[in-house]
Amino acid sequence: DSGVTQTPKHLITATGQRVTLRCSPRSGDLSVYWYQQSLDQGLQFLIQYYNGEERAKGNILERFSAQQFPDLHSELNLSSLELGDSALYFCASSVAEQGARDEQFFGPGTRLTVL
Amino acid sequence: GQSLEQPSEVTAVEGAIVQINCTYQTSGFYGLSWYQQHDGGAPTFLSYNALDGLEETGRFSSFLSRSDSYGYLLLQELQMKDSASYFCAVRDQNQGGKLIFGQGTELSVKP
Repeated sequence: DSGVTQTPKHLITATGQRVTLRCSPRSGDLSVYWYQQSLDQGLQFLIQYYNGEERAKGNILERFSAQQFPDLHSELNLSSLELGDSALYFCASSVAEQGARDEQFFGPGTRLTVL
Repeated sequence: GQSLEQPSEVTAVEGAIVQINCTYQTSGFYGLSWYQQHDGGAPTFLSYNALDGLEETGRFSSFLSRSDSYGYLLLQELQMKDSASYFCAVRDQNQGGKLIFGQGTELSVKP
């Protein structure tokens, strides 16, 4: 157990819908990262927040947005969902803006299925 | 930009030694990380090399050659539970903690 929690574990929805994925980082960690992992694919970095501010952005679609709240939990919002958005979405956290030794602690993931 | 290459799959038998290679191209280099992911599970950090040489942690070792832009993960005394995907990763020097992951190597350990 990494100490990072994500809810929900599974999400099934329809095309065109909007969903929110939630992540609580490890106690004391200020950085939160979001990744997308499609079937048999590597981890694609979406976005990073550090202490409430956006720090780095990957190839995140305009339909996707995220934020980090004062209590450091983060939410990833996915809208106008398409079939291709079906994937595992991981949240990770680290103490610093750049994880020591690049170590990030990953949550269990949210499996999103778009029908 | 950054890119990493690693074999898509490797098969080995229990008790054997296996090496998973990773070559990278990056405009700025801090270090090479390795992560393990069991099927559908959360990736977990294994090791990090910032300097040339071998880092050993139990049955797992990781090696880096900065001049060759190359590293590898060495798994010894393979166990069935080592069957998983292994990802190498480098940091994007222009974007803080952003990690660029390779596509992953699926390791199958056979009895």
